[in-house]
Amino acid sequence: AQSVTQLGSHVSVSEGALVLLRCNYSSSVPPYLFWYVQYPNQGLQLLLKYTTGATLVKGINGFEAEFKKSETSFHLTKPSAHMSDAAEYFCAVSDREGGSEKLVFGKGTKLTVNP
Amino acid sequence: SAVISQKPSRDICQRGTSLTIQCQVDSQVTMMFWYRQQPGQSLTLIATANQGSEATYESGFVIDKFPISRPNLTFSTLTVSNLSPEDSSIYLCSVPSSLAGGTDTQYFGPGTRLTVL
Repeated sequence: AQSVTQLGSHVSVSEGALVLLRCNYSSSVPPYLFWYVQYPNQGLQLLLKYTTGATLVKGINGFEAEFKKSETSFHLTKPSAHMSDAAEYFCAVSDREGGSEKLVFGKGTKLTVNP
Repeated sequence: SAVISQKPSRDICQRGTSLTIQCQVDSQVTMMFWYRQQPGQSLTLIATANQGSEATYESGFVIDKFPISRPNLTFSTLTVSNLSPEDSSIYLCSVPSSLAGGTDTQYFGPGTRLTVL
């Protein structure tokens, strides 16, 4: 079964610093991978996704992620953190093994940005 | 992307009662998903709702507790029955990004925040 592991339930960075949120996945088939962001008291918003093609994908708000098959990773980065980036971030993999459309989520990483 | 609305946005309910959550999409979709997000936790899929057939429930979730309706291609309801404080969560519906499903992106509604006293 597919699974997602997010290393670090809480990450704290200073404004302007690099943001790195880690995600590793387990899948026996080529994965579809996603990052979602959840701002306080809001639903989930898609940040970016990887399906096929270019392994470095760019998303909204300056975020990007790189699919590394050899490392089974899909880490999320942003060169310079902004206060508005403070939120919870979820990595997810599509259940292609099971042939369904459902998503399997990691436990989430809460990002704090300090002034 | 699909525009998804949920009602109610939040509710406070008494133990033993039920709450029905509505999910409305601005386009026709084959599949709709219902997720639960318990406090401080990630999202867990409750069930997949297909129009014209019974919902498919994930392990640990049963129809008696979480009955689902899917009367047409733009609407679904999730009922959380016989509420207990452990049901206090955010409930979210989501849809794939195209009518036929089989695509690579899901869009989420804003969620319904349920508190059970």
